[in-house]
Amino acid sequence: ETGVTQSPTHLIKTRGQQVTLRCSSQSGHNTVSWYQQALGQGPQFIFQYYREEENGRGNFPPRFSGLQFPNYSSELNVNALELDDSALYLCASSSPGYGYTFGSGTRLTVV
Amino acid sequence: GEDVEQSLFLSVREGDSSVINCTYTDSSSTYLYWYKQEPGAGLQLLTYIFSNMDMKQDQRLTVLLNKKDKHLSLRIADTQTGDSAIYFCAEGNAGNNRKLIWGLGTSLAVNP
Repeated sequence: ETGVTQSPTHLIKTRGQQVTLRCSSQSGHNTVSWYQQALGQGPQFIFQYYREEENGRGNFPPRFSGLQFPNYSSELNVNALELDDSALYLCASSSPGYGYTFGSGTRLTVV
Repeated sequence: GEDVEQSLFLSVREGDSSVINCTYTDSSSTYLYWYKQEPGAGLQLLTYIFSNMDMKQDQRLTVLLNKKDKHLSLRIADTQTGDSAIYFCAEGNAGNNRKLIWGLGTSLAVNP
């Protein structure tokens, strides 16, 4: 049974650029959630995808968008990067009735 | 609104028991989770408890839930230096299984 895999592990971008982060869900999980964790904070919910549809969204602006593919893998896209977007981005997969399995995250630094 | 609170720091001696506490506000919470995060790493699910349970034990871990007071605790028996990490409490709702609400995390330091 494979876990959740995220890529890349680290990324440095310039303010105003766009970034795409990727996540492969755990085998058998059909739901993917994305979280942003700023330094010293708990994770903040960005959005969740279930069967390729957005299934809930947190308090993040529209420049944060996502996709889920038929194999349940997912992408998080952030446009017009700002310095405050620097954070650890965590992907979690789950299925109804089960806990969330998290990937190791992508550390994004915006300079 | 929904909120989860934890104390920020806990320091114990190796071999002692650690108790990490958490309070939450959402009375409709269905699942309550404990996650562990080591430096530079992602979140590792330690255990979770359904809101209709009072206690759950899993090896060195004991979770206690007081639903009336909306208080959750995690006890780690025989704490080891490898247990040093940040421990997050999170709550979720089966009817709204779209997000988890997280505390800020408790940083556990285990001293030899």
